[in-house]
Amino acid sequence: EADIYQTPRYLVIGTGKKITLECSQTMGHDKMYWYQQDPGMELHLIHYSYGVNSTEKGDLSSESTVSRIRTEHFPLTLESARPSHTSQYLCASSERGQRGYTFGSGTRLTVV
Amino acid sequence: AQTVTQSQPEMSVQEAETVTLSCTYDTSESNYYLFWYKQPPSRQMILVIRQEAYKQQNATENRFSVNFQKAAKSFSLKISDSQLGDTAMYFCAFILPNTGNQFYFGTGTSLTVIP
Repeated sequence: EADIYQTPRYLVIGTGKKITLECSQTMGHDKMYWYQQDPGMELHLIHYSYGVNSTEKGDLSSESTVSRIRTEHFPLTLESARPSHTSQYLCASSERGQRGYTFGSGTRLTVV
Repeated sequence: AQTVTQSQPEMSVQEAETVTLSCTYDTSESNYYLFWYKQPPSRQMILVIRQEAYKQQNATENRFSVNFQKAAKSFSLKISDSQLGDTAMYFCAFILPNTGNQFYFGTGTSLTVIP
């Protein structure tokens, strides 16, 4: 049973809209991550956090922003969605990297 | 630079047979951990198997085992007695615990188990 939850599971939204993708985990993990994954392709790290009030940009440039006000919550926001933002967004968390990540089920975003 | 290469974009195997997915990686670090993740269609990515680089013994998890060749920087996944539920995208990855615990993923291998 997943201990990391992403909502919504699917989202279709119009260009220019502001959206927030939610990610919550109940494991008390300090480290959380957002990955962007296009169909059949590798994962690209776009944001990560090592704890409350800590956020960093990842390897892939992204117009999204994140916040980490609570340990369990790591939302990702797009201020103005564009068709180029159409992708799957995966949230993950870890206690210690050596143990691997726990992934959420993902949010598949389509911007029309 | 850290890289992971999965040279087989797609593979198929007959049910009950054995298949090996290849993975090579590159890092100058000596302390790292290797992983195989499985992502079934429209489902959550889950950890299949994990290997510490400092251990010579190959990790095994039931029907899943790895062939870890550290000098060659190779980390292949063997699936024995393939089942229909093994159909998924498989990602090879490694992490460097001394440099931020960020994962480096390959581009994935799409495995189809044929009944």
